[in-house]
Amino acid sequence: AQSVTQLDSHVSVSEGTPVLLRCNYSSSYSPSLFWYVQHPNKGLQLLLKYTSAATLVKGINGFEAEFKKSETSFHLTKPSAHMSDAAEYFCVVSDRGNTGKLIFGQGTTLQVKP
Amino acid sequence: DTAVSQTPKYLVTQMGNDKSIKCEQNLGHDTMYWYKQDSKKFLKIMFSYNNKELIINETVPNRFSPKSPDKAHLNLHINSLELGDSAVYFCASSTLGTNYGYTFGSGTRLTVV
Repeated sequence: AQSVTQLDSHVSVSEGTPVLLRCNYSSSYSPSLFWYVQHPNKGLQLLLKYTSAATLVKGINGFEAEFKKSETSFHLTKPSAHMSDAAEYFCVVSDRGNTGKLIFGQGTTLQVKP
Repeated sequence: DTAVSQTPKYLVTQMGNDKSIKCEQNLGHDTMYWYKQDSKKFLKIMFSYNNKELIINETVPNRFSPKSPDKAHLNLHINSLELGDSAVYFCASSTLGTNYGYTFGSGTRLTVV
């Protein structure tokens, strides 16, 4: 079965420093992978997606992620954190079959300190 | 123009009551979903409809019944509400087979007292 593991439940960075949110996936086939962001008391917004094209994926707000099949990882990075990046981040894998089902990781809370 | 809209945004109700949450999308997507987000922010799929046909029905109590009158609408009715039903319920939509990901609604925070 497909699954994702977000390796850190909480990450704290200072404004202007790099962000790294780690995600490992498990899949018996080549999955689609996504990162979603949820700001406090808001819905979820798609940051970026990997769908078997380029392994380095650029998303919105300066975020990017690299698909590494050999490491089964899909880590999210940003060169310089902004206060507005403070939110919950979810790594997501598509389920097998044509149901459109997405499987969410447990989430990583990103705290950005001034 | 809200792409996926849910109503109500907040719902506070007593145990044992019956309540409904409505969802509408104007994106032309053919598939809609209900997800439940618990107090630890974990998101789990409940149901999915593709062109009004139920395609995903996870292990959810029978008290939860989805209805999709057309592909732009997906409602969730909950009977005999329990304290454990308190959560945020998210509606989402997508076009099946495209792997573009979902567009989510802003959520309905259900509190059962």
